[in-house]
Amino acid sequence: AQSVTQLDSQVPVFEEAPVELRCNYSSSVSVYLFWYVQYPNQGLQLLLKYLSGSTLVESINGFEAEFNKSQTSFHLRKPSVHISDTAEYFCAASNAGGTSYGKLTFGQGTILTVHP
Amino acid sequence: DTGVSQDPRHKITKRGQNVTFRCDPISEHNRLYWYRQTLGQGPEFLTYFQNEAQLEKSRLLSDRFSAERPKGSFSTLEIQRTEQGDSAMYLCASSKTLGAGVYTGELFFGEGSRLTVL
Repeated sequence: AQSVTQLDSQVPVFEEAPVELRCNYSSSVSVYLFWYVQYPNQGLQLLLKYLSGSTLVESINGFEAEFNKSQTSFHLRKPSVHISDTAEYFCAASNAGGTSYGKLTFGQGTILTVHP
Repeated sequence: DTGVSQDPRHKITKRGQNVTFRCDPISEHNRLYWYRQTLGQGPEFLTYFQNEAQLEKSRLLSDRFSAERPKGSFSTLEIQRTEQGDSAMYLCASSKTLGAGVYTGELFFGEGSRLTVL
C-alpha cells in the first residue's frame, strides 16, 4: 500500500518570505511524485512532477521540489512567495511503471496563505 | 481545448435518492479518472477508464456506485440509494497516454461536482 503525508495542514507566511511545504511518502515500490495546486474556486492543476532523472524539479512560477529517496520526501519550496501563491497544495504519488500510473494517492493538503 | 467539464456542479438530494454525475474529458484524452474528496482530505481514487474499458475500481466504490464510459468519450458516475456519507466533491480527471511506456504524468482535473445528501 502507498501513503502520502503532508505534515502541515496550514502554513501562513508573509509576502516575499521563503516557504517549505513538507511531504513524505511510503511505498514498497518505486514512485512518481507530484505537487498539485488548487486555487480558490478552481480545479486541481499540476504544479510539478518527478518521474525520473534529476531529483530537483522546478515549476514555471518559481517553486521547486527535491526527490529524496533515502528520506522518502518530496518537499516543495519557494524562496520568495507572492500573494497569488495563496492556494491549497497537494502532494501525490503513483506507482512508477505498470499501467495504472494515473492512480494517484494524495496527501491531506496544505493551505498556504500569503499575507501582505 | 475547453478542459474537463463536470455537470452538475452542485447537487443536493435526500437520502435514498439516486444521483448521476457527468464528466466530459478533454477530447483527445483516452484515460478518464474519478476521485472523491471530502472536507479536509485529499482526493481519493475511485476508478479509471482507458477508452471505454473500466480497468480498475477502488474498494471505496461500493455496489451502490457505478461508472460508465460508453464509446470512450464522456463518463457518468451514478450513486444509487444515496447515504449521508456519500456527501463529498466528486472529481473527474483525464489524461493522454502517448504510447507504450510513455507517460506525461499529468492529470487534468475538472472543477468537481459537489454532492450534499440530506
